[in-house]
Amino acid sequence: GAGVSQSPRYKVAKRGQDVALRCDPISGHVSLFWYQQALGQGPEFLTYFQNEAQLDKSGLPSDRFFAERPEGSVSTLKIQRTQQEDSAVYLCASSTRTGVTEAFFGQGTRLTVV
Amino acid sequence: SQQGEEDPQALSIQEGENATMNCSYKTSINNLQWYRQNSGRGLVHLILIRSNEREKHSGRLRVTLDTSKKSSSLLITASRAADTASYFCATLSSNYQLIWGAGTKLIIKP
Repeated sequence: GAGVSQSPRYKVAKRGQDVALRCDPISGHVSLFWYQQALGQGPEFLTYFQNEAQLDKSGLPSDRFFAERPEGSVSTLKIQRTQQEDSAVYLCASSTRTGVTEAFFGQGTRLTVV
Repeated sequence: SQQGEEDPQALSIQEGENATMNCSYKTSINNLQWYRQNSGRGLVHLILIRSNEREKHSGRLRVTLDTSKKSSSLLITASRAADTASYFCATLSSNYQLIWGAGTKLIIKP
C-alpha cells in the first residue's frame, strides 16, 4: 500500500479485556517495529521483526504483551488482560532495512483502558 | 528508557521567525534522525544525519551534529503555521533500535 496502515485507530477496552492491534507495513519492507507512546513522551521501543522473525522483544513491558508477524508482512500486537497503565498510543513502523534508513510510521492506535 | 533529551520542551514563535531545537544523547550512535509528529499525519521522518557528518540541509531544515558533545540541533527557517507540531530526535546505536527523546512542542503563531 501507499503507507503503513494501523487498525483500529481508536480502541476503548474494559480492564481485563484482551485486545489485538493490527499493522499493515509498506509492501516489501523487511523491518517492522512496534512502539508505545505515552502522552507527551517520545515513542518507547517494544519489539522488532525482520521478516517473520521476532529478533528483539526486550521492550515488551510484560508477558501480557505478545506480537507476531507470521508471514513476514502484517503484524499483530496482542495485549491480554488489559490494565489502565496500558493506555497509550501504539505505533507501528516499517523500513526497507534494519534501521539504517528512515522508518515509516502508521497513524497509531490510541488504546484507552477504562 | 529514552536516550535523547530535547530542549526546549516547548517553543512558541511568530510565523516567519526561525525555530531552533536541540537534542542531547548519551551513547555513541550510528546516525541521528529528526521526526515531526502532529495529529493529522502521525510521525514523519524529516532528516537523517550520520555520525561522520556535521551538518545537513533539506529545504528549510538545517541539522547539525556534534558527536564530541553528543548533541544535535534542528533549525527551521522562515517558519509557517503548518510547522506547528512536536519534533523528536531519535538515535540509532544498534542495528535497528531507534531511541527517542521526549520531543519539543513547537507552536507557530500567525
